Amino acid sequence: QVQLQESGPGLVKPSGTLSLTCAVSGDSNSTNNWWSWVRQSPGKGLEWIGEIYHTGATTYNPSLKSRVTMSFDKSKKQFSLQLTSVTAADTAVYYCARAGYSYSWSFYYYAMDAWGQGTSVTVSS
Amino acid sequence: DTPMTQSPSTLSASVGDRVTITCRAGQGVNSRLAWYQQKPGKAPKLLIYKASRLESGVPSRFSGSESGTGTEFTLTISSLQPEDFGTYYCQQYSSYSYTFGPGTWLE
Repeated sequence: QVQLQESGPGLVKPSGTLSLTCAVSGDSNSTNNWWSWVRQSPGKGLEWIGEIYHTGATTYNPSLKSRVTMSFDKSKKQFSLQLTSVTAADTAVYYCARAGYSYSWSFYYYAMDAWGQGTSVTVSS
Repeated sequence: DTPMTQSPSTLSASVGDRVTITCRAGQGVNSRLAWYQQKPGKAPKLLIYKASRLESGVPSRFSGSESGTGTEFTLTISSLQPEDFGTYYCQQYSSYSYTFGPGTWLE
């Protein structure tokens, strides 16, 4: 059973850079999975930030693309998010998640089947 | 970016009720539509993927369907249980991006 755990500072200053890491464990075969970041502002809905493949290939939400960078560290089994030039609007709970893939039937779920517990990030001076 | 709408935004129901939530996509999404349940303070939980496939471990009272146009999707709970209360989100994947619906609060 895969487990994902987010980590990083809970407070970031305006105009600074938000940096989070997601550690993946319990996943013996994740060759075909993509790994995402999703955020949820207080009392609001869910917003997809972007996803990364183990090769380093990425896809970002067009509305955040200019400020987002993701990276993948295979040796540590973790992936990271950097969001630059943050403002109060970036205050949210940030989740990492796995895009599902059926290794038995060889198809993508186009959905996120495993999630971290989420980490709260506040942008404030 | 494919906009998503959900209806209703709030739904009041009782244990044993049959409940239906609708999600509409701004364009066809080729059945790449998922449903999630979220409880307060918790991460979303995948219920349905590819419009109608039940995620492993999810009770069979949950089902998903797609209209013929490929832009309207429905989540049905056949007999509401106490643990089913929470917020439900639909999510689509198209043009290499995910978009979530605004959510339906089931109370």
